[in-house]
Amino acid sequence: QSVLTQPPSASGTPGQRVTISCSGSSSNIGSNYVYWYQQLPGTAPKLLIYTNNQRPSGVPDRFSGSKSGTSASLAISGLRSEDEADYYCAAWDDSLSGYVFGTGTKVTVL
Amino acid sequence: QVQLVQSGAEVKKPGASVKVSCKASGYTFTSSGISWVRQAPGQGLEWMGWISAYNGDTNYAQKLQGRVTMTTDTSTSTAYMELRSLRSDDTAVYYCARSKAARVSWFDPWGQGTLVTVSS
Repeated sequence: QSVLTQPPSASGTPGQRVTISCSGSSSNIGSNYVYWYQQLPGTAPKLLIYTNNQRPSGVPDRFSGSKSGTSASLAISGLRSEDEADYYCAAWDDSLSGYVFGTGTKVTVL
Repeated sequence: QVQLVQSGAEVKKPGASVKVSCKASGYTFTSSGISWVRQAPGQGLEWMGWISAYNGDTNYAQKLQGRVTMTTDTSTSTAYMELRSLRSDDTAVYYCARSKAARVSWFDPWGQGTLVTVSS
């Protein structure tokens, strides 16, 4: 079962800003880095954000990550049709001694 | 470019074992590790564990302890994940991903995935 909670869906029109939340606890987000992954339909996940707010090369600056306490969020600004995908947060959990993923959020571009 | 290529789809009966391979290229294999993540049909991602390609150290998810074994072959830059005593709820796409360390690390890049179907 997923330890990190995300909203099941989010949507917006092209050009809008969409924010996805990721809620955890003191044993995961509260004491470790957060990572975000994008999974386009039928493909493998892809790293989007690492160590809370860093973007790998090639990831547009429309994507940004932040963390506060035991929660994190991913913001997509200037929403585009190619952003339609599932988004997952992840963090190390000290109690489980393993990585945990969020429940996943499906982003739809209206 | 860094690339991970996985073995093909498998169909197994309950109680059997499966071994999935993940061949790395484009980087020094022993400079990093490999994590395994699975995704049941229509479900989210589940971390299975990590192995160091440098010294073979492993860190398995508590849920899978005793049923999973991860190994590497540095001569071929290939990582393997074996899952035993398969059950129907092990049906999933299994992904490998480069992962520097067991704890403070990210998964990048990912392999294309291997579908394992467990059915009688």
